[in-house]
Amino acid sequence: RKEVEQDPGPFNVPEGATVAFNCTYSNSASQSFFWYRQDCRKEPKLLMSVYSSGNEDGRFTAQLNRASQYISLLIRDSKLSDSATYLCVVNKAGNQFYFGTGTSLTVIP
Amino acid sequence: DGGITQSPKYLFRKEGQNVTLSCEQNLNHDAMYWYRQDPGQGLRLIYYSQIVNDFQKGDIAEGYSVSREKKESFPLTVTSAQKNPTAFYLCASSIGAGGRNTEAFFGQGTRLTVV
Repeated sequence: RKEVEQDPGPFNVPEGATVAFNCTYSNSASQSFFWYRQDCRKEPKLLMSVYSSGNEDGRFTAQLNRASQYISLLIRDSKLSDSATYLCVVNKAGNQFYFGTGTSLTVIP
Repeated sequence: DGGITQSPKYLFRKEGQNVTLSCEQNLNHDAMYWYRQDPGQGLRLIYYSQIVNDFQKGDIAEGYSVSREKKESFPLTVTSAQKNPTAFYLCASSIGAGGRNTEAFFGQGTRLTVV
């Protein structure tokens, strides 16, 4: 079983739409959780860390459910510039990072 | 500016050759990582190092070698034993073990093509 599983999409949404991505992780010892954004042929960049209490950064909201081992990312009022691949990342003790395969988002004018 | 630098950005290798990819960071991070990304796939861990002079194999270490002689440097050698080396290689660093929510910072990547 993979450490981190994501729906690969693709998600094609119109501008202004709300879109949600989900991710599950297999190891209950996982300690830290992140969403990264990766543009085509570029390196991944941190979008936001994910906390148990949930956290929001502008149009982006991340949630963590430790009991269900589930992480989500909600993007409101989608912009064309949000088009990218979104990677779910989990960090275990020993500081190893595990990456999902990514969810592709295209925002359509 | 603090950051992590990979070079070269593009690299072409003939079959049977060894090549070395450079990764340097000035973030004073203890941990460094090498990942490989193939089209349509996620990042797969090749090697990682938690501290100078120590490194561990990741999930796909065969055909690769690394060294960690200095804190700021973690070069990756792709040897001729790696049968399918064409890929996008990403180096990353993080503060180190024991720190919660310590995210990974990435270099810009090296795109290796076997010709």
